[in-house]
Amino acid sequence: DVKVTQSSRYLVKRTGEKVFLECVQDMDHENMFWYRQDPGLGLRLIYFSYDVKMKEKGDIPEGYSVSREKKERFSLILESASTNQTSMYLCASSLSPGGFVGTQYFGPGTRLLVL
Amino acid sequence: SQQGEEDPQALSIQEGENATMNCSYKTSINNLQWYRQNSGRGLVHLILIRSNEREKHSGRLRVTLDTSKKSSSLLITASRAADTASYFCATDVYQGGKLIFGQGTELSVKP
Repeated sequence: DVKVTQSSRYLVKRTGEKVFLECVQDMDHENMFWYRQDPGLGLRLIYFSYDVKMKEKGDIPEGYSVSREKKERFSLILESASTNQTSMYLCASSLSPGGFVGTQYFGPGTRLLVL
Repeated sequence: SQQGEEDPQALSIQEGENATMNCSYKTSINNLQWYRQNSGRGLVHLILIRSNEREKHSGRLRVTLDTSKKSSSLLITASRAADTASYFCATDVYQGGKLIFGQGTELSVKP
């Protein structure tokens, strides 16, 4: 069965802290994605990756960076957390059958609160 | 405005009734996908319909796609309380390389 796991379900951090959100998938998918979800704004893409050590900016990359050293792991880094980064963070992975965007498999989400 | 916009934003029905949610988009797509999200959880894929398909079924779900009107609909027949969730459409935009999600329809099914 397909599985995407995220390191924490809930996280509380202080303004200015460096925050690491980890995502691991066990499906050998080449594509991995980080979204944030806020009420009234839906899902917004932060960063995505099509291969190891490769990354692409999404729609709202400011204040974030990512790391993909291994195919199964995609990390989201908040360099200096701010209160406006309080949100639900969702990781997903997928294949690209025939070059199209295939089904995305999501992790359970991390609810981050920045104080 | 959004590439994918769902309508209505919220829908409340009784168990046993059918629920219809609509999604409109603006640009050419490779495929359109529907996802479900239970409160506070990750999204779960429901169905994918390709741009050359007009209708697709999966259990109690029926999805239609009208590329001339740039719209799709998701029909859930004989709804159950367990169908209570938010439903999102997502478009694989031609040469975009990523999915663009709408803001979702919140469905409430009352027992």
